[in-house]
Amino acid sequence: AQSVTQLDSHVSVSEGTPVLLRCNYSSSYSPSLFWYVQHPNKGLQLLLKYTSAATLVKGINGFEAEFKKSETSFHLTKPSAHMSDAAEYFCVVSDLRYTPLVFGKGTRLSVIA
Amino acid sequence: DTGVSQDPRHKITKRGQNVTFRCDPISEHNRLYWYRQTLGQGPEFLTYFQNEAQLEKSRLLSDRFSAERPKGSFSTLEIQRTEQGDSAMYLCASSAVGTGAADTQYFGPGTRLTVL
Repeated sequence: AQSVTQLDSHVSVSEGTPVLLRCNYSSSYSPSLFWYVQHPNKGLQLLLKYTSAATLVKGINGFEAEFKKSETSFHLTKPSAHMSDAAEYFCVVSDLRYTPLVFGKGTRLSVIA
Repeated sequence: DTGVSQDPRHKITKRGQNVTFRCDPISEHNRLYWYRQTLGQGPEFLTYFQNEAQLEKSRLLSDRFSAERPKGSFSTLEIQRTEQGDSAMYLCASSAVGTGAADTQYFGPGTRLTVL
């Protein structure tokens, strides 16, 4: 069975400083991994997707994530936080054997001016 | 693409009433998913269709819930005899079947259900 653990429920950073949102996954098959972002009162938006190609995945708005199989991790990073990055972020796993997405509980990112 | 649309965006109902939600996927997407999201949690899978066939249902989908996708285009999710515990955001997503990797799902804005 697949599962995702987001290690922080809330992360707070100052504007202009780096962002790190941590995610560990469990999958018995070759996983696809995603990060989605949810702004207040808005729908889920795909940030980036890993599907067994390059282990470093670049997404929208300057975000990127690195797939580390040995650590079963898929952490999301951004070099410099912007106020507009404040939102809820979800790490998600899926695979070819079980296509519905399995979401983590989310990490709320706050950006302080 | 116009994106995934859902209707209504908000629904307030009294306990015991039936409600129906509609989802229109991105055109030509053959897979359609329903998820439920409660406050402070990530979305949880309910059911999905490939074309008009319902391929999987979660154990979360009690017998009061039913979903259809009659012509392989839009889908409806009906909840009968609503309970206060049904209050949640109901999300729809669609995807095109990929090759060699899990498909990318695109989400609609959701329908927020409040059961009084």
